[in-house]
Amino acid sequence: SQQGEEDPQALSIQEGENATMNCSYKTSINNLQWYRQNSGRGLVHLILIRSNEREKHSGRLRVTLDTSKKSSSLLITASRAADTASYFCATDYTGANSKLTFGKGITLSVRP
Amino acid sequence: DAGITQSPRYKITETGRQVTLMCHQTWSHSYMFWYRQDLGHGLRLIYYSAAADITDKGEVPDGYVVSRSKTENFPLTLESATRSQTSVYFCASSEDRGRSPLHFGNGTRLTVT
Repeated sequence: SQQGEEDPQALSIQEGENATMNCSYKTSINNLQWYRQNSGRGLVHLILIRSNEREKHSGRLRVTLDTSKKSSSLLITASRAADTASYFCATDYTGANSKLTFGKGITLSVRP
Repeated sequence: DAGITQSPRYKITETGRQVTLMCHQTWSHSYMFWYRQDLGHGLRLIYYSAAADITDKGEVPDGYVVSRSKTENFPLTLESATRSQTSVYFCASSEDRGRSPLHFGNGTRLTVT
């Protein structure tokens, strides 16, 4: 399977703290994307980082990509209770027939 | 409002019955996808479509049929439902196969008894 792997599987932090989530993948990619899923809802796109980019920011989100280590991290700064959700990385592998492949997700709990 | 709508939201059916899950998007995106989400497996691609009348298999296509006669609709049919197909099904659309963000519906929770 080409599924990316997120780490940790679950994370519990206090409101105001930073949350760092990691994703590792196996082969060359065109881009890597992070999604959030609130309970009972569909996934929502957060950020896309291309293979030639090393870092991107969007509000309180910071994503890094290290293609030499085949890994990415998602940092949420100053977390809020509303950030409680599952987070998924998805990789667009290179290749003629590639499709976006999702990891199993990280469950983030932010305690008020 | 532009968006992607799935119906029904919840469905309970019996083993052996045919079930169709509906998906409608208003963005006119070329690509549409069906995923299933199960504990321990994350999201797995069932089928996808690059345009009207063009569909292709994903990772777990067995037991499912899709069609896409119009750009905006992408129904998923379980021809003879099995208990292993109990899952949450998500439809998504995108401008490109993997190089643009996916927009997801809110899912259909299917239970096969």
